[in-house]
Amino acid sequence: GAVVSQHPSWVICKSGTSVKIECRSLDFQATTMFWYRQFPKQSLMLMATSNEGSKATYEQGVEKDKFLINHASLTLSTLTVTSAHPEDSSFYICSARFWWGTANTEAFFGQGTRLTVV
Amino acid sequence: SQQGEEDPQALSIQEGENATMNCSYKTSINNLQWYRQNSGRGLVHLILIRSNEREKHSGRLRVTLDTSKKSSSLLITASRAADTASYFCATDGSGGYNKLIFGAGTRLAVHP
Repeated sequence: GAVVSQHPSWVICKSGTSVKIECRSLDFQATTMFWYRQFPKQSLMLMATSNEGSKATYEQGVEKDKFLINHASLTLSTLTVTSAHPEDSSFYICSARFWWGTANTEAFFGQGTRLTVV
Repeated sequence: SQQGEEDPQALSIQEGENATMNCSYKTSINNLQWYRQNSGRGLVHLILIRSNEREKHSGRLRVTLDTSKKSSSLLITASRAADTASYFCATDGSGGYNKLIFGAGTRLAVHP
């Protein structure tokens, strides 16, 4: 299957700083990527849909100024957690689907990033 | 946003037994997918079933879909300790290309 690489796999940062997480599709072009957040022993909550060359579409309740998403190329989307606070500590996962994607395709996921804000 | 519920939330069985997980959803769908997640890792796609399909098999996996009841089940036969993981269903909305919305998940523990 296709490969999605997410970096870093874990990060610890101080409260008030910003953290950038990268998501790359290594062997295919992804016009759309998705960012999820997952709390321990819970499901994945969709945060936003990242569209190449345009603004991200955020889910209800997700602060767009807090979670900045940039999708500058067909293979790279980034999520920046700005002015991080301990409550932002979580597991963040990105996913991508083929660029010609119909609705009948699987999604490929990155390895996830464990963010801890101290 | 979450699409629906999965049950059971947790399942503990012995190696060799079958494991059945159920998923319910709320809206119309184009397809339903099942994913597996090992602790602290990303998700791996297991199987996709389209809305016009009722049953699908892949190795030891069997998935059913009942669109009238808005429910799906995942059966893992002859389970192994390596099957220990969390399993999630995800729905792909109708009306074209769409985002995947995940169910609550079932944590499966298979004991040797």
